[in-house]
Amino acid sequence: KAGVTQTPRYLIKTRGQQVTLSCSPISGHRSVSWYQQTPGQGLQFLFEYFSETQRNKGNFPGRFSGRQFSNSRSEMNVSTLELGDSALYLCASSLGWGNNEQFFGPGTRLTVL
Amino acid sequence: QKEVEQDPGPLSVPEGAIVSLNCTYSNSAFQYFMWYRQYSRKGPELLMYTYSSGNKEDGRFTAQVDKSSKYISLFIRDSQPSDSATYLCAMSGDNTGKLIFGQGTTLQVKP
Repeated sequence: KAGVTQTPRYLIKTRGQQVTLSCSPISGHRSVSWYQQTPGQGLQFLFEYFSETQRNKGNFPGRFSGRQFSNSRSEMNVSTLELGDSALYLCASSLGWGNNEQFFGPGTRLTVL
Repeated sequence: QKEVEQDPGPLSVPEGAIVSLNCTYSNSAFQYFMWYRQYSRKGPELLMYTYSSGNKEDGRFTAQVDKSSKYISLFIRDSQPSDSATYLCAMSGDNTGKLIFGQGTTLQVKP
């Protein structure tokens, strides 16, 4: 069974731009969660989507948003990029809403210049 | 104070040693406890997933949860150089889907 896939793997953007990251969950998994990983703050929860609806949200500004499609694939968007948004963005999939057994993808490394 | 505390290390051990990794937490609502392994420039890989208190064994790995002390552990027996990685503990309450992570412990197993 294929794992979680994320595209692109690497991105370089400049301040003020926006970016869209994509995540395809494991086949049969219907819930997708997003996390930000930085050296200083570690792994922090951004949001969880299930059945095309955001079910849970972390403590991030409104510049961070996401959506989920009917095939469970998910995208997250960051608008008006700041230097501090440079991070590894990780997507995790699980069978259903609120399921804590989460499997991570390889991540998208975003660098903001 | 962070909800989950984990010593960042680094922890260096000789090949074949028993490794003990630990996390403490403050939120008594946590019911699900996980250990992930993350190699450099890779995503976290789920190693152990446990519910409530008790022990769980999988091959060379044993996870222990002591909810009364708010303390969880991961033991690695017969450690190998390929076990060199960062180990992250994570935990969650009921039906939240939101994992709270420790900072991760960097482990180096020397041949």
